[in-house]
Order: sequence, then C-alpha cells, then structure tokens
Amino acid sequence: GAVVSQHPSRVICKSGTSVKIECRSLDFQATTMFWYRQFPKQSLMLMATSNEGSKATYEQGVEKDKFLINHASLTLSTLTVTSAHPEDSSFYICSASVFGLGVALNEQFFGPGTRLTVL
Amino acid sequence: KQEVTQIPAALSVPEGENLVLNCSFTDSAIYNLQWFRQDPGKGLTSLLLIQSSQREQTSGRLNASLDKSSGRSTLYIAASQPGDSATYLCAVSSSGGSYIPTFGRGTSLIVHP
Repeated sequence: GAVVSQHPSRVICKSGTSVKIECRSLDFQATTMFWYRQFPKQSLMLMATSNEGSKATYEQGVEKDKFLINHASLTLSTLTVTSAHPEDSSFYICSASVFGLGVALNEQFFGPGTRLTVL
Repeated sequence: KQEVTQIPAALSVPEGENLVLNCSFTDSAIYNLQWFRQDPGKGLTSLLLIQSSQREQTSGRLNASLDKSSGRSTLYIAASQPGDSATYLCAVSSSGGSYIPTFGRGTSLIVHP
C-alpha cells in the first residue's frame, strides 16, 4: 500500500518555541492531506484539511495562527505549532488521500504520528 | 452531521476466539467506510476499505461487512491471535460533502494467550 512518513517521530521542546512536523507521501502524489490530533485513549480529532497549492481548511475551534499548515507540493505538507504550550502536547498524525488507477478514491493512508511534548 | 459509534469500547478475549467488532453511523449517505488498526503510540494502518456499492471486503482473517440501510458495519476477526491486540477504528466518509472521514472512538482489543 501507499506509504506516508512523518518527521520527527518524537519531539520535546520548551514552552514558547515553535515546532515543525513534516508529512510526506513517499510513493504517490497526494492532492489532499489531513492533520489530526489524538489525546490518550481518544479518537482522532481532525484539525485541518490541506490541499496542494491552496490554503488549509481548519476545523472549528482550531486556531489557524497557532497551527500553521503548508502544502507546497503533492508529496509534502507541514504543520508548525507556533509558540507551543504544555497544553499543545499531544500525538499529531497526518494522512493522505490517494488518487489514481486501481486505487480507491478517498482511501486514507496514515503516517506513523509525531509525539509532541512541551515542557 | 455524521456520527460514528463503535461497540464495544474494549474487549478482552482468549486466543483463538472469533470476534465481531461493531460500527454504526447515523447518515447512510456514505461514500466509503474504512477500518483501521492502531497500535499504542503508533499511526493508523488501513485494514479494509468498503465502497458504498459493496457489501463486504475480506483480507486474510479479516472480513468487514457494510449495511448502509441500517447504518452498520462489522469487522469479523477469525481465530484471534495475541498479535491482533490493538485499537480498531472505523471511519466513514459521507457522500454529501467533502468526503472527509468521521472516526469512531475505537474498540480496544486484547487477545491473551
């Protein structure tokens, strides 16, 4: 199946710093990428939908100035957590939708996630 | 707004049992339904995807069924093994909008030897 990578897998930072997380589709082009946040023992909460070459669409309650999303190419989307605070500590997961011959439209492939801890 | 519910929330069984995990959704106008597996601290692995025109999909010991009219899907795991221990998530993409999937809260499965 299609492979999605995330980097870094784990990051610890001080309060007030900014952290960038990368999401890459390794063997396919993804027109749409999604960013999720997951708290312990909870399901995934969609933060934003990212389309290549256009501004991200944020879900209600997600601060777009706090969580900056850039989708500069069909294989890369980045999430930057600006001025991180301890309450931003969470597990962040990206996914990509695959389009193409022999691939189901809108099938989601997920990255391995990034564990962010803000001290 | 689509709502997805998974029952049970947690399940602990001895090795070898056949299992049924349930997923229900409120809006039957779906595009597809996808089952995922998530190991602790890891991302999601896609197990099976069922298009709205399909009734079931099979992969190895896994079988997923879809009944749109009743708003239900089941994931059947045959001859469970300790390696099947994980959280299983159901996600539904609705056809009347952006196709963004809505996730259930998952079923946490433990298969003990």
